[in-house]
This record gives sequence, C-alpha cells and structure tokens, in this order.
Amino acid sequence: DVKVTQSSRYLVKRTGEKVFLECVQDMDHENMFWYRQDPGLGLRLIYFSYDVKMKEKGDIPEGYSVSREKKERFSLILESASTNQTSMYLCASRPFRTLLTGELFFGEGSRLTVL
Amino acid sequence: GENVEQHPSTLSVQEGDSAVIKCTYSDSASNYFPWYKQELGKRPQLIIDIRSNVGEKKDQRIAVTLNKTAKHFSLHITETQPEDSAVYFCAATNSNSGYALNFGKGTSLLVTP
Repeated sequence: DVKVTQSSRYLVKRTGEKVFLECVQDMDHENMFWYRQDPGLGLRLIYFSYDVKMKEKGDIPEGYSVSREKKERFSLILESASTNQTSMYLCASRPFRTLLTGELFFGEGSRLTVL
Repeated sequence: GENVEQHPSTLSVQEGDSAVIKCTYSDSASNYFPWYKQELGKRPQLIIDIRSNVGEKKDQRIAVTLNKTAKHFSLHITETQPEDSAVYFCAATNSNSGYALNFGKGTSLLVTP
C-alpha cells in the first residue's frame, strides 16, 4: 500500500508565525501536490512538484512556498501565517509514469488553525 | 485554474435508490476524470475513474459516464447503502497545470435507511 504521511494532524499557530507542513511518501513517486480543502470550496491546488528541486504554482500559491529537497519529501511553508490560511491541508503523490492520468494518493491531512 | 463544476452540492436518497452526481469541465485537453470519496475525518480515496477514450465504465454498483463533446461526466451509484454516505469529488486534469487534478466543490451524499 502506498503511504503518504503528513507530520502533523492538528496545528494551532499565531498570526505571523512561520509554519512548516511536512509530507513524506514511501513509494518513490515523482509527483507530489499540496491542496487545501475548505467547506464548500472543494480541494484547491496550492503547489506541485514533478521531481526533486522542481516546483510549480497551482491555483492559489499566494502566501505559500514549497520545498522538495528529497524525492520522498514535499514541504509546504507559510512564511507568515494569517487567519485566512486556517484550513485543512492535503498532500498527495503519484508516480511519473501516470503523468497525464493516474490516481492521486492522499495523506490524512493537516488541520491548521491560525489565531 | 480551469473550472470543474459539480452538482448538486447535497443529495439525500433513501437506501436502495440511485444517486447521480454531475460534473462539467472547461479544459478541452482534459483526458482523465476520477471520482473520489471522502468519509468524515478521512482522506479522499479514488473510487472510479475514466479516461477520455472511453464513454462509460462500471464497477459493481458504481458507474461513470463521459460526454467529451459536451464536456460533462457523471457518477451513478445504484442500490445505495448507508455506507455510501460521504462527500464525493469529481476531478479533471488541467493541461495548464502540468495535468494536475482540478476538483469540483464536492457533493455531500446522505443515504437514509
């Protein structure tokens, strides 16, 4: 079974803090993604990476950055957290051979609350 | 990003009835259309998918149909059971974002006994 692990299930941070959300997958997948999930808005793509050191902006990258130093790890960074970044964050991965199609494997999610 | 519209946002059916969820997409280059089910407090999981060269696919009580000309696809669940209650998301590949998936806003399905 593919395993996508997000380091923190629940976080509470204060406005202005720097926040790191970590995601690790154990199936040697090349592609990794960060989505945020909000009620009534579905899943929206923040950033994605097709290989180590590569990153691409998704639909809502403002206020976020990412890091992909190792193939198995994809980190989402909030440089200065704001209350409108309170959300559920979902990491996902898929193998390169299914670049144009293919199942995304999701982590359990990280629920971030910014006070 | 390219839009994926999903309807209805909520759906309530009696156990044993059928449920249909519909999605439309705008990216004419989309070629992959998965459906994910998310139970409360859990991660989304793929339940069925269809590729652009196929018009229909069925897996037991679940089927998906695709009309590429009209740019819409639908999920059909027959003989619904209470354990089908969940949020369902449709998605389509986005050719402008490296074929990442664009998701609909979700449909909350409730199956009452």
